[in-house]
Amino acid sequence: TQLLEQSPQFLSIQEGENLTVYCNSSSVFSSLQWYRQEPGEGPVLLVTVVTGGEVKKLKRLTFQFGDARKDSSLHITAAQPGDTGLYLCAGGPLANAGKSTFGDGTTLTVKP
Amino acid sequence: GAVVSQHPSWVICKSGTSVKIECRSLDFQATTMFWYRQFPKQSLMLMATSNEGSKATYEQGVEKDKFLINHASLTLSTLTVTSAHPEDSSFYICSARGWGFQPQHFGDGTRLSIL
Repeated sequence: TQLLEQSPQFLSIQEGENLTVYCNSSSVFSSLQWYRQEPGEGPVLLVTVVTGGEVKKLKRLTFQFGDARKDSSLHITAAQPGDTGLYLCAGGPLANAGKSTFGDGTTLTVKP
Repeated sequence: GAVVSQHPSWVICKSGTSVKIECRSLDFQATTMFWYRQFPKQSLMLMATSNEGSKATYEQGVEKDKFLINHASLTLSTLTVTSAHPEDSSFYICSARGWGFQPQHFGDGTRLSIL
C-alpha cells in the first residue's frame, strides 16, 4: 500500500509570510498532483509534476518533485488570505487504471 | 478544459430515501471515475473506483449494496445511496480521469443531509 505523509496538518499564518508544505512517501509515484480545496467545493488541480527534480511555478506558488519521485513540496511566497484552503497532494497511479494516493491534507489559514 | 460536473450540489431528504448523485465529464472521456466521501476538515476518503463498462471496485469497509455505482458511459457515473440514514450524511465528491496517467479532475461535491 502506498502512503503519502503530508505536513504540517494545520498552518495558520499572517498575510505576507512564506510557508512550505511537504508531501513524503517511501514509494515512487508516476506523477504527483497538488490540489486546493475551499469549503463546500471540490478540489481544484493546481499542478502536476512528472519528472524527478522538476520545479514548477504558478505565480507565488512553487512546486518541486523530489529527484527520486517519492516526495514533493509546495512553497507559497507572501501568502494572501485568498490562499486559505485545504491543500492536498496526490501520488499518481503506477498502473493505467489504478487509483491515486492522497495525503491527509494541510489546512492553511492566512490571516489579514 | 477538464471540467467535471456533479449534480445535485445539495440534497436534504428523509431517512429511508434513496439518493442518486450524477458525475459527468463535460469535455473529456473519463475512462476511470472515483467516488469519495469527505468529513469536515479531513482529507478525501476513497469509496470506490469505477472503470467504464466494468463493475466498480470498492474500498474495504464500503458496502457495495449500500452505495451502488454505475459507470455506463465514458462521460457519466452515478452513485446511489440506497435507504439512506442519518449516518450517511456527508460530503460526497466524484472525480474523473482520462486515459493514461492523467490527473484526476473533481466535481464540486454533493452535500447530503439525511433527516
